[in-house]
Amino acid sequence: GAVVSQHPSWVICKSGTSVKIECRSLDFQATTMFWYRQFPKQSLMLMATSNEGSKATYEQGVEKDKFLINHASLTLSTLTVTSAHPEDSSFYICSARTGTGSNQPQHFGDGTRLSIL
Amino acid sequence: AQKVTQAQTEISVVEKEDVTLDCVYETRDTTYYLFWYKQPPSGELVFLIRRNSFDEQNEISGRYSWNFQKSTSSFNFTITASQVVDSAVYFCALSEALDSGYALNFGKGTSLLVTP
Repeated sequence: GAVVSQHPSWVICKSGTSVKIECRSLDFQATTMFWYRQFPKQSLMLMATSNEGSKATYEQGVEKDKFLINHASLTLSTLTVTSAHPEDSSFYICSARTGTGSNQPQHFGDGTRLSIL
Repeated sequence: AQKVTQAQTEISVVEKEDVTLDCVYETRDTTYYLFWYKQPPSGELVFLIRRNSFDEQNEISGRYSWNFQKSTSSFNFTITASQVVDSAVYFCALSEALDSGYALNFGKGTSLLVTP
């Protein structure tokens, strides 16, 4: 149980393109989803926290207009990288959590490798 | 400020050696969670363990063991009789209520290479 599906797993596109990444909880309802970014050989950094039905909370230094997050249902959150540029190339990974209590574990998707040419 | 410190950037061992990965954390919260994840070259995060701040019992799972010491704010991870398949990047992470509603703060990771 507690499977998180992330799609696509790999994207290569031209500079200026907008790219949408989906994060789905397949067998549970996720009231909270998190989006992380990982540059090569670096750690995972939290980009934003997404709660179903409300606006996402972005971490300092993350442009909300560039990284659009939509959490319209309890099983789906999307991250759209608008007008992507080569510096946005990274590994993006989402996680989903049931409930808001501290004892609720996070379940990670398999990540999306984004390469902007 | 870095909340989770993994001082070892890279470790290389020969198969069957024991290896300990260090993790030191910093928090003002009284309730928090500590995690270890494994990230193989394919990129996905493999969950290894979660420990809450009120449970200082050490844990052993097969070849893996964890030593949680609140007095030193450490949560170290030991692999006994290492195998080539253990080669990966290992991340220690902290989850606390004070910031971002229990999102995970990851350390910088320790890259473990186990050679035959």
